[in-house]
Formats: sequence, structure tokens, C-alpha cells
Amino acid sequence: EPEVTQTPSHQVTQMGQEVILRCVPISNHLYFYWYRQILGQKVEFLVSFYNNEISEKSEIFDDQFSVERPDGSNFTLKIRSTKLEDSAMYFCASSALAGVSDTQYFGPGTRLTVL
Amino acid sequence: EDQVTQSPEALRLQEGESSSLNCSYTVSGLRGLFWYRQDPGKGPEFLFTLYSAGEEKEKERLKATLTKKESFLHITAPKPEDSATYLCAVPFSGGYNKLIFGAGTRLAVHP
Repeated sequence: EPEVTQTPSHQVTQMGQEVILRCVPISNHLYFYWYRQILGQKVEFLVSFYNNEISEKSEIFDDQFSVERPDGSNFTLKIRSTKLEDSAMYFCASSALAGVSDTQYFGPGTRLTVL
Repeated sequence: EDQVTQSPEALRLQEGESSSLNCSYTVSGLRGLFWYRQDPGKGPEFLFTLYSAGEEKEKERLKATLTKKESFLHITAPKPEDSATYLCAVPFSGGYNKLIFGAGTRLAVHP
């Protein structure tokens, strides 16, 4: 069964460093997302991406964050200068269509630890 | 403001003891409600989508139902492997694809 994959599974970085989290969405999906979950808190939306551009972003997704689809299979989230409060699980998701009600399938996550 | 509230926060069951989890929502014009299962340190795993009041869906020991204000996830004769956090989510009413998640119900099933 097709699934979303994410690398690395765990990333440890120093405050102020740049990190890139990578995702391979399900192959025929068109809509891509990043969510994050701080330990013990709700899953929260960061950004959605369709047709090579951001379609929506949350207040959390400030200028330190960027997303890119560098080729036909990968989808990346870059954090330019990490802060302690960026420590969280980051989940990539994808959906087949752009419809509001279309099911989003999540990857296993990358645990980001900022020291 | 769109909100999703799940109860109880935690539930402990004996193996075989059936129960229900609740998800109440306040959104304008519901366009679907999603249930996910999340194991510790893992991503949400899709279970069900419900689109309209009265709709029901089943998968093994799980059955999800939907009314105009809430959804229930019924667990019949649970097994220890059903232990997980169950998340409910709805699409933001502003017309975008972002999901608004509840805090989840942590289910523990003991033999």
C-alpha cells in the first residue's frame, strides 16, 4: 500500500542552525502539507502546497520556514534558524485531490530536537 | 472559531469491555470529519471519513458515527492492540484544506 515517507526520523540540531526535513508523498497525490506536534499537544497545521506554490499557511509558518518541491517526488520543509521552541514532531501529509474533504495521509514524522 | 473537543482525555478498558469516544465540533458547514489513530512517536494513521449526519462506517472492532454536532468512535470488544491515541479532525471552515485536530483520547486496553 502506498505511503508517505519522511527522513530523517530524528534530527538533533543546535539553536540557530538550519534544518531540512524531507518527505516523499504518495506518488499520484497533488496536495501536500506539513503539520507539527509539540510533545503532549495537538497536531497543528503549518502549511499546504499545491501546484508548486503555497496555498495556505498558519501564523506559525513565519519567514524562518519555507517549503519546496525540488523534484517530482520530494517535498521539503526548511527551518532557516532553529529555535528551542521548534522542537516537535513534524509530519508530512498528502492528499490525492485539492478538495476540502479529501483524506490526508500522514507520514511517520521527523522528531526535531533543538538544543 | 472552529473547534474540536474530544472526550474523555484518557480511557482505560479491560479487554472485551466496549466503550465510546466522543468528538464534538463547532465549524460552519461541516465538510467532513476524520478519525485517525496515533501510536506513540508515530504519525496519524487514517481510519475513517464521515461526510453527513447519520453516516456510519466500520472497520474491524471500530465503528464511527456522525451527528450534526458530534461524532462517536465505538470500540466493540477491544483488544490490547487497540491501545493508542484516537484523533478527530475537521477541515477548517474557511475553505482551505487545513485540518483542525482535537487533543485526542488516549485509550489503554488491558488484558
